[in-house]
Formats: sequence, C-alpha cells, structure tokens
Amino acid sequence: NAGVTQTPKFRVLKTGQSMTLLCAQDMNHEYMYWYRQDPGMGLRLIHYSVGEGTTAKGEVPDGYNVSRLKKQNFLLGLESAAPSQTSVYFCASSYAPGGGYYNEQFFGPGTRLTVL
Amino acid sequence: AQSVAQPEDQVNVAEGNPLTVKCTYSVSGNPYLFWYVQYPNRGLQFLLKYITGDNLVKGSYGFEAEFNKSQTSFHLKKPSALVSDSALYFCAVRPPSGGSYIPTFGRGTSLIVHP
Repeated sequence: NAGVTQTPKFRVLKTGQSMTLLCAQDMNHEYMYWYRQDPGMGLRLIHYSVGEGTTAKGEVPDGYNVSRLKKQNFLLGLESAAPSQTSVYFCASSYAPGGGYYNEQFFGPGTRLTVL
Repeated sequence: AQSVAQPEDQVNVAEGNPLTVKCTYSVSGNPYLFWYVQYPNRGLQFLLKYITGDNLVKGSYGFEAEFNKSQTSFHLKKPSALVSDSALYFCAVRPPSGGSYIPTFGRGTSLIVHP
C-alpha cells in the first residue's frame, strides 16, 4: 500500500515551458486535492476533485489545469510556467464524508518546482 | 466562509516541558477540526480530529487537542515535548454539512523543541 505518490519529486522549468505533475493514490479515495505551499502562506488549495471525471477550482486556480480521468490519478498541469509558480506542490486524497469518514487527508511527499 | 487562525508563527519550548500550539476557527455550525504535522521535506501527516463528543481528543505521538466551543479554539497540546516533535503544525476546519466539505487550513506554526 503505497498511499499517495507524486511524480516527479523535483523539476526545474524555464518560463513559458509546460509540465504535468502526476498524483496517484491506491486507497480508493473519492476526493483528491492539489495544494501549493509557499513560505509564510501555508497551504493554498489550487484545484480539487470529488470523484472521477469531476474537478473544481480552489483558492488559487489561475495558471493551472487539472484532470481526473481515473479515480486513482489526479493530474496538475502548468501550460505556461511563470516564476510565481515556483513552489512546493502537494497532492492529497480522502474518502468522501459519510459512513464514518470526515475528510482527514492523506498527503503525498511533494514536488519541488522551480521556474527560472 | 470558514477560516482558521494560527496566531503564532513559531513556538519555542524546552524538551520535557509542556507545549501548546494555538488554533482558532470560524465556521457556520458545529465544526470538524483537524491537526496535521509536517516534518522537514515531507508531506503532511494527520494527527487527530474533533468531530463530536469529548472536548479532549487524543491523537498520534502523544498529542492531544482541546476543543472549546465558546472560545472557538482547538489548541494542540502535549504534556512533555521531545526534540523530535520539532516540525510544522497545521490546524484545519471544515463545516459538518453543506458545500463540498473541503477543509480550510491555517498558515501553520513552527514548533521548535530545544534540548
């Protein structure tokens, strides 16, 4: 049981380049989330998904797109990277509320992205 | 809208002393409250949650948290701190019903335990 995994762990991009971050979970969770963590800003929600085929915007969605084609995977895309997107990105997953579950989240190890 | 405040960016405590990391919240209705810990270069790990019932909740690694409805607080506590408790701690809140049930996180508090 690997939990939540993220690929890649590190990446350096030049301004204007694109990339996709992959998040995978093997716990059959319905909900998945993408956050970015910046010094002094805590965790900020970028996008989330409440089930396969669904996505929704979080607090800071601009410049990012997501897809949830399979229940176990949640992809975060940067179409044209900017230096302001330099950050550490965390994926998380959780069961849907109900049936004894309350949204406690399981987090991946993070992806450290630098945009030059 | 729900919100969480962690009023201290950093808490310093000597090993063996009790520690408290503060959290206050704002949410409609009875809250569901969570604490997470983040060790350096790692993802967040769930520590404990309050849903209902006893105001004192026990969690992992000897941590506990006290829910106080009148003060809208959910402070994290440990009777005797360890150097290995040094980490970043996040409080989170979500409403019990309505909407998408997405939690809101505080900005985090860095706990430093000195030998």
